[in-house]
Amino acid sequence: QKEVEQDPGPLSVPEGAIVSLNCTYSNSAFQYFMWYRQYSRKGPELLMYTYSSGNKEDGRFTAQVDKSSKYISLFIRDSQPSDSATYLCAMVKTGNQFYFGTGTSLTVIP
Amino acid sequence: DSGVTQTPKHLITATGQRVTLRCSPRSGDLSVYWYQQSLDQGLQFLIQYYNGEERAKGNILERFSAQQFPDLHSELNLSSLELGDSALYFCASSAGQMNTEAFFGQGTRLTVV
Repeated sequence: QKEVEQDPGPLSVPEGAIVSLNCTYSNSAFQYFMWYRQYSRKGPELLMYTYSSGNKEDGRFTAQVDKSSKYISLFIRDSQPSDSATYLCAMVKTGNQFYFGTGTSLTVIP
Repeated sequence: DSGVTQTPKHLITATGQRVTLRCSPRSGDLSVYWYQQSLDQGLQFLIQYYNGEERAKGNILERFSAQQFPDLHSELNLSSLELGDSALYFCASSAGQMNTEAFFGQGTRLTVV
C-alpha cells in the first residue's frame, strides 16, 4: 500500500463548479501537507501548505486537513478553465521525507 | 518563470551511459531538491541539499548521485542508465530547509533508448 493515495481521475467539471480533490495517507508521522498544481510540460507549482488540522483559505482555494481520519482535501470554488491541470498532494515526514500523490487530472469546461 | 533553471531541457542517451543534469536555484535559495516523475511512479523525492550538505534522502538509487557546489548550483549524476530511468527530472529550490515554499524548475526530460 502506498503511503499517500490520490484518485487519479480524470475529473471534468463545468466552469463555476466547486471542485473537491482528496488524498488519504496511512502514516501519522506526516507533519506538513501541501497541494501543487502542474500544467502540462511544466514543473509543479505550490498552491498551499498547512501543518495543522482544519481549514486554510487562499482566494478560491481551501485546503482542509483531518489528521484523525488521515485525509486531506483541496476545494476550488468558482472553477475556471485556467484551473485545468493536474493537482498533486504532498506530505512531509520528520527528516524532510517527501511523499506525493499520483495526481488528479482536472478539466474545467467553459 | 520560477527562477529555477534546469539544463538541458531534453536528453536522449543509450542504456549503460552516464548523464549529468544541472540545476541553478533561485537567487538566495540555499536548498535544492531533486525529484523524478514517471508515468508509473508519479513524482518521487530523490534527495535534498542545503548549503552544500546533504539534508535528506528519498528513493534515490545507488546508481544516482548528486552534489551541491559552493555557488549553490547542483548536479544530479545518473549512471549505468536503464530504460526505466526514462522520466522527467525536476529540481526545486527553497530559501530554508523545509520544502513548504519550494519553487520548481521546468524539468529535464530524459529518454534512455
